[in-house]
Amino acid sequence: EIVLTQSPGTLSLSPGERATLSCRASQSVSSSYLAWYQQKPGQAPRLLIYGASSRATGIPDRFSGSGSGTDFTLTISRLEPEDFAVYHCQQYGSSPRTFGQGTKVEIK
Amino acid sequence: QVQLVQSGAEVKKPGASVKVSCKASGYTFTRYYMHWVRQAPGQGLEWMGIINPTSGSTSYAQKFQGRVTMTRETSTSTVYMDLRSLRSEDTAVYYCASGDAFDIWGQGTMVTVFS
Repeated sequence: EIVLTQSPGTLSLSPGERATLSCRASQSVSSSYLAWYQQKPGQAPRLLIYGASSRATGIPDRFSGSGSGTDFTLTISRLEPEDFAVYHCQQYGSSPRTFGQGTKVEIK
Repeated sequence: QVQLVQSGAEVKKPGASVKVSCKASGYTFTRYYMHWVRQAPGQGLEWMGIINPTSGSTSYAQKFQGRVTMTRETSTSTVYMDLRSLRSEDTAVYYCASGDAFDIWGQGTMVTVFS
């Protein structure tokens, strides 16, 4: 089983600032099958990024994903008020699919 | 529009079973595998398993082997997740999600296990 470790656990930033979230895998993620999701309280997760760097439909270009192998990054170039949420990474290249524990981006 | 609609909240006693449904609409039901994911209060996301809506074949996370069954009914574009021998630690929101990367999510079903 691939274990995903996200850091930091919480990121305190102001609107307009840049957010950099990390996701590290315990072994190489097959074909960069790495996704990022955004989740707000009381809502289901929403797919942001798939294939490590491809934006899902309707996702603003301030969200970008990068990385390969075992190290992946989600960057939000300039935080908007609606971006404060929890972000989860997930690998879907092998079974069981696994998620990281999440990073909370909160308003400073 | 493309959506997954799940059944309503459930309250169960320890030892009981729960069956959650997930109805797909707006796309060809057999096009995408369906997953079940749960989230305990204040916790992260936990993958439970996957069902192929065409063949009905399944694969479950080891943690749930022997306690979970996923089935589908192609005539109604619905998948089901049956979890048995419930315990308090099974209290969670249960989601269905479809796609390789989970493009589409249901709204979630709260299952509370309470004596």
